[in-house]
Amino acid sequence: DTGVSQDPRHKITKRGQNVTFRCDPISEHNRLYWYRQTLGQGPEFLTYFQNEAQLEKSRLLSDRFSAERPKGSFSTLEIQRTEQGDSAMYLCASSLDPGQGAWYGYTFGSGTRLTVV
Amino acid sequence: DAKTTQPPSMDCAEGRAANLPCNHSTISGNEYVYWYRQIHSQGPQYIIHGLKNNETNEMASLIITEDRKSSTLILPHATLRDTAVYYCIVRGPIYNQGGKLIFGQGTELSVKP
Repeated sequence: DTGVSQDPRHKITKRGQNVTFRCDPISEHNRLYWYRQTLGQGPEFLTYFQNEAQLEKSRLLSDRFSAERPKGSFSTLEIQRTEQGDSAMYLCASSLDPGQGAWYGYTFGSGTRLTVV
Repeated sequence: DAKTTQPPSMDCAEGRAANLPCNHSTISGNEYVYWYRQIHSQGPQYIIHGLKNNETNEMASLIITEDRKSSTLILPHATLRDTAVYYCIVRGPIYNQGGKLIFGQGTELSVKP
């Protein structure tokens, strides 16, 4: 297992179109997180899953955003009716449940850069 | 979670120690200090974390003051590959919370030849 994988790395879309990103976490990690990062800013938390359950959503996650993790493995983040303000890097991270033992922090993927034109 | 304050940017000469400060004066007794870094066009990378004792691993050392109101991340022999944005984050025990990290704007470290 080589880490957290995100696909695609880059996405250019026209305003109003729907986009979907995929994240494949480290296989033994049961927690999965989505963050968004705009230029010059630190990453902002969007949502997180423990196995297939979505346990927390940020107010940043508007009705146009939906995230799923149907089998507790990979996750998808969909943005409907994209707006120019959605242009950002979307980062996925995974971690062990700390109750399962030593915790080494989150492992982030390299992100999907979305540009809405 | 307690708020952190970091200088926006720092320079360091290659081969010298890079000392990155972080103020967290409102930290609570059970809150940990975490450090991550983000190299351009990559996701953040975990470096180290600690509660009150100093910590060292293969990447860095973390020095936390006795009153826990500030800390310093030390990269003992900085290389050009250490050029990145470094984030200091304070949060409660991972098992008590959902797991989110609140990132500030971090310190942009430039290591120069």
